[in-house]
Amino acid sequence: SQKIEQNSEALNIQEGKTATLTCNYTNYSPAYLQWYRQDPGRGPVFLLLIRENEKEKRKERLKVTFDTTLKQSLFHITASQPADSATYLCVIMDSSYKLIFGSGTRLLVRP
Amino acid sequence: GAVVSQHPSWVICKSGTSVKIECRSLDFQATTMFWYRQFPKQSLMLMATSNEGSKATYEQGVEKDKFLINHASLTLSTLTVTSAHPEDSSFYICSARASTSGIAGELFFGEGSRLTVL
Repeated sequence: SQKIEQNSEALNIQEGKTATLTCNYTNYSPAYLQWYRQDPGRGPVFLLLIRENEKEKRKERLKVTFDTTLKQSLFHITASQPADSATYLCVIMDSSYKLIFGSGTRLLVRP
Repeated sequence: GAVVSQHPSWVICKSGTSVKIECRSLDFQATTMFWYRQFPKQSLMLMATSNEGSKATYEQGVEKDKFLINHASLTLSTLTVTSAHPEDSSFYICSARASTSGIAGELFFGEGSRLTVL
């Protein structure tokens, strides 16, 4: 069956450290993968898009990798800040161009 | 950046009543808008794809007579939960993609609408 999996356990890290979130998928061959941030009770906000032919994409303190062999994307936040605390959603586009959302991983950055 | 406005942000209603939620793209045109439902600590579940000027495309298991979608203009889509019941209580979120962007384009989300049916 098709699945997109993100660690359901919250990631708790110290301010200044690098946060790394994982997204694994099975039985999909997405051409694109996106990451969104969602704060409690709010709609998601787009962060980054990476294409299947791109290994890595950066935006300020954010970095995303996309390994189509491992069927995995890693999302990194360097020099993390308490304001980075939120839930981060991995989103892939399936073959019918439909966006499939992961359940998200909650990040907590301690001051 | 582009803004999607969703209204109301929260609503409480009695069982059996109907509730309308509006989703507006404020500074861009959106041929396609999407409606999602989200339960606590769960993923966004796509309910339907709303296309301007045509009928919405509903996901499997979503009752089209229960969740009426109208996309009358390039900037407005509405979701009406008809004869709401307590099990319809949820967080409903809309999103829109600019008409000028490709299919992989960024989605802009509304702030969500928290529906509580008593």
